[in-house]
Amino acid sequence: DADVTQTPRNRITKTGKRIMLECSQTKGHDRMYWYRQDPGLGLRLIYYSFDVKDINKGEISDGYSVSRQAQAKFSLSLESAIPNQTALYFCATSDLDATGGYGYTFGSGTRLTVV
Amino acid sequence: AQKITQTQPGMFVQEKEAVTLDCTYDTSDPSYGLFWYKQPSSGEMIFLIYQGSYDQQNATEGRYSLNFQKARKSANLVISASQLGDSAMYFCAMREVVYNQGGKLIFGQGTELSVKP
Repeated sequence: DADVTQTPRNRITKTGKRIMLECSQTKGHDRMYWYRQDPGLGLRLIYYSFDVKDINKGEISDGYSVSRQAQAKFSLSLESAIPNQTALYFCATSDLDATGGYGYTFGSGTRLTVV
Repeated sequence: AQKITQTQPGMFVQEKEAVTLDCTYDTSDPSYGLFWYKQPSSGEMIFLIYQGSYDQQNATEGRYSLNFQKARKSANLVISASQLGDSAMYFCAMREVVYNQGGKLIFGQGTELSVKP
């Protein structure tokens, strides 16, 4: 099983619908992140959480909300999806120090299309 | 604010040749980390190489090396002996220190590399 699992892998939804993307990890990392990837813009941070009680907005949090249900689970919600939220979404985790190259672990991504 | 810039949206290289992908960064923190990731068409993020701001020597990992020029704030990725499987999107990223510990990764826009046979 993957260290960081994202579900679903692909999703098509209609404008105005609420949708949740889920992320679970077996790394035992305290820190979790949600990123969004758009062509030509790289990955941009939506929300991050350094522990269960710590939730922080990233660069592009408008239109999104998150829930950290446990150390291992971090969910991203789109309350009312709109077409410009069509993107590839990544969940990532990191250990406390995130030192060295392997401090971060990425999920396989969720490809979301809003029609 | 910290920032990563990749100015090459797309690059072509002939198979077996070397290629350099550019990355410049901006930060006022003395402690930071620089990463390169590869993203093939399947979409996953694959870690390639890491350079810490205090590392004296340039990082190397197999065919990948990082040309770290601290004064110029550049962290270019060099791929030697390109292979067809190197065709992918490449991202440069910087770790932003938060609470004196490793924190968020900030990404550049990416460079799409195409290797020609």
